[in-house]
Amino acid sequence: EAGVTQFPSHSVIEKGQTVTLRCDPISGHDNLYWYRRVMGKEIKFLLHFVKESKQDESGMPNNRFLAERTGGTYSTLKVQPAELEDSGVYFCASSQRLWNTEAFFGQGTRLTVV
Amino acid sequence: AQSVSQHNHHVILSEAASLELGCNYSYGGTVNLFWYVQYPGQHLQLLLKYFSGDPLVKGIKGFEAEFIKSKFSFNLRKPSVQWSDTAEYFCAVNSLTDSWGKLQFGAGTQVVVTP
Repeated sequence: EAGVTQFPSHSVIEKGQTVTLRCDPISGHDNLYWYRRVMGKEIKFLLHFVKESKQDESGMPNNRFLAERTGGTYSTLKVQPAELEDSGVYFCASSQRLWNTEAFFGQGTRLTVV
Repeated sequence: AQSVSQHNHHVILSEAASLELGCNYSYGGTVNLFWYVQYPGQHLQLLLKYFSGDPLVKGIKGFEAEFIKSKFSFNLRKPSVQWSDTAEYFCAVNSLTDSWGKLQFGAGTQVVVTP
């Protein structure tokens, strides 16, 4: 069974540019999450999809971040325009259920904004 | 604000030493508790989890954790570490009183095991 996959693994962009991160969850997992870890800090929740719907986007930092989940399958997280403080590792996770269940994580995308 | 605290940010120990990593959370009510591990260059993977029942849970690679409800703690232990246990360890909580499914993480503990 394929795990959660994220693309790209690394991205270096200039301030003001746009970057799109992609996450492919485990097939059949309705729940998809985005998290971010800024260097030296804890992993923080960004948002949660149930199928194609945003269930909780309380962790999104600001309106420069836009997440979508096309047809309830893969998800994209776009940062436009990127700022220096957006640098960090962006993790995607998926799970079958909301409770009494394990979330499976991708390898993360390391974003560096210069 | 609800939070998850890991007591140590960095731990260095020798092979065969015992390891204990502390984790405390501030959520009231029912919780799911997890320890995740990230080995160098790899993705986050589940080490062990607690949902209900026996508060002493066993995970992969000889790790175990004890849930003490009265202390809001979920400490991770391994009696004898190996060099391959060098990794970053994360405690995480999913709370019924918060948005279901969302994990709140501790800051992580970097563990280095020396030969």
